[in-house]
Amino acid sequence: IAGITQAPTSQILAAGRRMTLRCTQDMRHNAMYWYRQDLGLGLRLIHYSNTAGTTGKGEVPDGYSVSRANTDDFPLTLASAVPSQTSVYFCASSRLAGERNEQFFGPGTRLTVL
Amino acid sequence: GQNIDQPTEMTATEGAIVQINCTYQTSGFNGLFWYQQHAGEAPTFLSYNVLDGLEEKGRFSSFLSRSKGYSYLLLKELQMKDSASYLCAALDSNYQLIWGAGTKLIIKP
Repeated sequence: IAGITQAPTSQILAAGRRMTLRCTQDMRHNAMYWYRQDLGLGLRLIHYSNTAGTTGKGEVPDGYSVSRANTDDFPLTLASAVPSQTSVYFCASSRLAGERNEQFFGPGTRLTVL
Repeated sequence: GQNIDQPTEMTATEGAIVQINCTYQTSGFNGLFWYQQHAGEAPTFLSYNVLDGLEEKGRFSSFLSRSKGYSYLLLKELQMKDSASYLCAALDSNYQLIWGAGTKLIIKP
């Protein structure tokens, strides 16, 4: 593994189903983030984690949950998917949370909820 | 509220220079990032400014004016591979990134 990986690459999901998007980084970064990107809108932060064992809510957290059991993994769960959650989801990480710390992004997961 | 404004789309000619502007309004300010995103790919880091002035990095330069809430990304000697979206993002007082919608740059031969 080099950098950040996400799985699956894409997924079509029926409304009401539960789905977990996986994210793993091998850079030993402390901070991790989940964003969604929709056409015409900027990246919007869903949840973040400044260090293993802690998580926080971003701008659009409703309908999503995360966990950070260890440094490397930061899964995002949709408990009961709805069509408005159709989007491209990016996981990112940075060495630390805060100033001057560039974020490195995974390749994204394209999710369609029908 | 917090807001980032940048043009939706710009067109430029190969070999020319283009300036992409970004204005921001955030609760507190801890720096301004520029990222490049090719279609269907992840954003990649280009630059970070926290002090006023110009930072030059090869063909790309980024400028910041904190008093005006303004930044620009300057791309010189444009190449076809520079066709991409350019994302401006400001770091607010909680160290969260507030992202603009991106500027799609089209390079013509």
